[in-house]
Amino acid sequence: GEEVAQTPKHLVRGEGQKAKLYCAPIKGHSYVFWYQQVLKNEFKFLISFQNENVFDETGMPKERFSAKCLPNSPCSLEIQATKLEDSAVYFCASSPDGPNEKLFFGSGTQLSVL
Amino acid sequence: KNQVEQSPQSLIILEGKNCTLQCNYTVSPFSNLRWYKQDTGRGPVSLTIMTFSENTKSNGRYTATLDADTKQSSLHITASQLSDSASYICVVSAQTGGFKTIFGAGTRLFVKA
Repeated sequence: GEEVAQTPKHLVRGEGQKAKLYCAPIKGHSYVFWYQQVLKNEFKFLISFQNENVFDETGMPKERFSAKCLPNSPCSLEIQATKLEDSAVYFCASSPDGPNEKLFFGSGTQLSVL
Repeated sequence: KNQVEQSPQSLIILEGKNCTLQCNYTVSPFSNLRWYKQDTGRGPVSLTIMTFSENTKSNGRYTATLDADTKQSSLHITASQLSDSASYICVVSAQTGGFKTIFGAGTRLFVKA
């Protein structure tokens, strides 16, 4: 597609439940990025992929967070055993040529952990 | 430490007025600097990109400047419109082995009629 599509738009989870977020990058874009934005503050980088391979995972919390980009499927970000502090908007972005290029962002998934 | 600082944190202006947003960075080695506009409830959209050799770049009513010596950038908005109400985010890329992209906290602009 011509836009980065993120689903769902909103997700509400009780503390300790699992949350799974999806992202379909723009067709032809090789790179996918996940960012976390807490309370409209700065974007925190989580992880990036080049096609289905992890490109940079230096921002991923070591526990509970995992992500995948499999061929012919939307990319996903999964949070096991959610905590209150996981409440944020999670943005996915894609770019055709790499992290130094213009990022095209989706509209985000608002995760609320209650 | 690589950092991007933006000022002011928020700004209120009247429709038709001009304004300038500031971005200071300590990112090194510098690769490029982008300004993004983030409307409420949406993802950021790129406005301009500045590389090391560029001083000024315009995109319609938006003009970005870069002073690579002082590590400062500004985004000037001319003849503001209500639709300019948004967060403006300065994003600096560093070439460090791979590439690191550092986001500023943004300036929240409110344009009032």
